[in-house]
Parts: sequence; structure tokens; C-alpha cells
Amino acid sequence: GNSVTQMEGPVTLSEEAFLTINCTYTATGYPSLFWYVQYPGEGLQLLLKATKADDKGSNKGFEATYRKETTSFHLEKGSVQVSDSAVYFCALSHSPVQGGSNYKLTFGKGTLLTVNP
Amino acid sequence: SQTIHQWPATLVQPVGSPLSLECTVEGTSNPNLYWYRQAAGRGLQLLFYSVGIGQISSEVPQNLSASRPQDRQFILSSKKLLLSDSGFYLCAWTSGVANEKLFFGSGTQLSVL
Repeated sequence: GNSVTQMEGPVTLSEEAFLTINCTYTATGYPSLFWYVQYPGEGLQLLLKATKADDKGSNKGFEATYRKETTSFHLEKGSVQVSDSAVYFCALSHSPVQGGSNYKLTFGKGTLLTVNP
Repeated sequence: SQTIHQWPATLVQPVGSPLSLECTVEGTSNPNLYWYRQAAGRGLQLLFYSVGIGQISSEVPQNLSASRPQDRQFILSSKKLLLSDSGFYLCAWTSGVANEKLFFGSGTQLSVL
């Protein structure tokens, strides 16, 4: 079946440090890959996505590249800020019926990031 | 613009009591609707999804049920809550276009005591 494995947290960094959160996946076919972010007390919101191999998603200084050869979608940011403190979820989308319009997302367990000033 | 409303924000219920969580979407029609649960240490688990009125797919066997009485209304229910039902419940929607992002509600923190 489809699954997502992301690095266990929590991750604690100082402001301006480099961030990497690893994510690997198992899926049939060609899923799309996503990173969602959940700020304290809120629901999830999309951070970035990539829909095919070698695509790079980017937003707010975060980047992730869809690597089919390593089945990975690692999240990176060159210089984190205190406001980046949140839980980050890696996810993949898949349709239970090929070509169907209904599809589902499978999420990783989430990684808590805390950035200290 | 589209918005999603989910309530209540927090809920404390005794074991064995019933549950009803409601989610409504505005500004779109015929959305795909989802209920997720986020439990400590277990990530985000898809519970139910619906592609239309009265159409419910269950992802995992459990003590919960879902209904979609109207196009933009999705309800999560239980007749008798268990301790293990505690968690953070998130409603979400998407238009159904392949690979489009999910829009999440703000969530309901349910504590079963």
C-alpha cells in the first residue's frame, strides 16, 4: 500500500540555521507529493507540492524536490525563522480508481520544528 | 472565496456519550469532503471521505460514522464514545481535480474522559 515515512522529531534549531526534514514514500504509480504545515492551534495548510519526478516545489523559502529514483521529497530551508516553528507533514496523493476524480492523501506522522531566537 | 467551517473547536465528553461534529463548506459546489484524525504520535489518519451527497467511504474500521446530508455538509458521529476516540479531528475539502490541494478546517480537539 501507499505510505509516507518522515523523520521523527522534534527538531530544534537556532534562528538562521539550515533545515532538512527527510521524507520518503512508497506508492504505486505516480503520486503527487506535498508538504503541509500546521501552526500551533490551527489546521493544516499547504506549504508546497510537486506533481511529477524532478519537479521542485517551493514557497516561503522552503523547497522540496520530487526524487523518484530515491522515492524521496525532503524539505529544506536555508535560514529558518522563529515564525517557522510548526509541525510539518509530508503527504502523497493517490486515487483509488485510476483516472477517478476522487483521491486521497496519505500523510506522514509529522515533524515538530521549534526555532529558537 | 471558499471557506470551511468546523465546530466545536474543543469538546470534552464522557465515555459512552454520543458525538456529533459538523463541517460545512462555502463558496464551492460538489466538493470532495474528508474527515481526518490526528492522534498523538500517530500522525494524520484518514477516517472518511465523500464524493457526493449520501456517498461515504470508510477508511478504517472504528467506532465512528460519517454522513453527508447536504452537498456542503459533512458530519462525524458516534453513538458511544471510547477513550481511544480522543484526538484532533480535521475536516477538509477539495474540488476533486487530480492533485489539487486539500483545504483544512481549524480542527476540533476531542477529549474523551
